[in-house]
Amino acid sequence: GEDVEQSLFLSVREGDSSVINCTYTDSSSTYLYWYKQEPGAGLQLLTYIFSNMDMKQDQRLTVLLNKKDKHLSLRIADTQTGDSAIYFCAGQTGANNLFFGTGTRLTVIP
Amino acid sequence: EAGVAQSPRYKIIEKRQSVAFWCNPISGHATLYWYQQILGQGPKLLIQFQNNGVVDDSQLPKDRFSAERLKGVDSTLKIQPAKLEDSAVYLCASSLGPRSTDTQYFGPGTRLTVL
Repeated sequence: GEDVEQSLFLSVREGDSSVINCTYTDSSSTYLYWYKQEPGAGLQLLTYIFSNMDMKQDQRLTVLLNKKDKHLSLRIADTQTGDSAIYFCAGQTGANNLFFGTGTRLTVIP
Repeated sequence: EAGVAQSPRYKIIEKRQSVAFWCNPISGHATLYWYQQILGQGPKLLIQFQNNGVVDDSQLPKDRFSAERLKGVDSTLKIQPAKLEDSAVYLCASSLGPRSTDTQYFGPGTRLTVL
């Protein structure tokens, strides 16, 4: 099975950029995903990147994929207090089966 | 468009008791997933349905967990008997189909506490 690893915590000041990192072991994923989970809520898909791309930008979000190193990152520009949440990266295998990392808890300091 | 609905939102039971969770996917979504999320971990897939058939249940502890989706719409997940280590949030998700391009949409989850 796939192993996906993330650092557990990240704190940034409001207005700064946040960078959340993820490493994975299985290179067969067609897509790699970033999900956001707020307290008491389900997972919300933030963005995804196709495995043959290096970068994808979507408003304040930038995803970078380094296939050689099996490293995925999510950059949030101009981080706001509403961005405080747990962020999960996920790989995908088989019939759309997602393998999630442990999640990174982002705390935005006003 | 209504999202994925789950009930109950919270459940507290004693070990060795039984419990059932219910999920109503987004209308028209053929694929339904149940995930288990233990505190401090990412969600782990338990079972995937395509309409009323099981696609993948390789990580479902079949000695105590069961799930069904009889009419290809709603689904129930049952635990019998529950153990302490079953304490977790049980998330239901649905997608149009099983393709990698089909986004999974998650419900709010059911938080189970086993005492």
